[in-house]
Amino acid sequence: GQQVMQIPQYQHVQEGEDFTTYCNSSTTLSNIQWYKQRPGGHPVFLIQLVKSGEVKKQKRLTFQFGEAKKNSSLHITATQTTDVGTYFCADTGGFKTIFGAGTRLFVKA
Amino acid sequence: DGGITQSPKYLFRKEGQNVTLSCEQNLNHDAMYWYRQDPGQGLRLIYYSQIVNDFQKGDIAEGYSVSREKKESFPLTVTSAQKNPTAFYLCATKTVGKGGYTFGSGTRLTVV
Repeated sequence: GQQVMQIPQYQHVQEGEDFTTYCNSSTTLSNIQWYKQRPGGHPVFLIQLVKSGEVKKQKRLTFQFGEAKKNSSLHITATQTTDVGTYFCADTGGFKTIFGAGTRLFVKA
Repeated sequence: DGGITQSPKYLFRKEGQNVTLSCEQNLNHDAMYWYRQDPGQGLRLIYYSQIVNDFQKGDIAEGYSVSREKKESFPLTVTSAQKNPTAFYLCATKTVGKGGYTFGSGTRLTVV
């Protein structure tokens, strides 16, 4: 079945460094959603990308959707300790959503 | 405040017991979902419901049951047939076709 692969699985950064997580699929993605889950918490919706090549920004976060709609990325500029958590992408084609396994971000002060 | 209330936050189950996890929403969303989260894995869909008195199996429905008698409520029962129930259970809602999921704060179920 369709899978959404996220890399890396873990990322350790020094505070102030940049961070990027990638979401890849062998098939065309419908819409991509990104979520953040703090340690011990629940996923929180960040954004949805719909169009090929779309780029959206939220403060220090930049979200991209690939031209072929087979990949997406989330980039955080100058990480802060408040950025710690797991970032999930999800393909929301039709009624069924497929979540990636997530990238866990650790930020060292 | 509009949102989703899941209870209990922590639940311990003995072998052979059925337990029911509560999920209540006041967002007036049509669709409700139950997801299971295991360490290092993505969310896996157990059951979902688009309207009252109707629900569909997700990818890992075996050993679970649900009901949707009211729009606001979507309880999940973990039966004794579920052999590995220890996990974090998340209830979610969304407006069909629009936006992202809103998740509850989850229930951590442990078999003792």
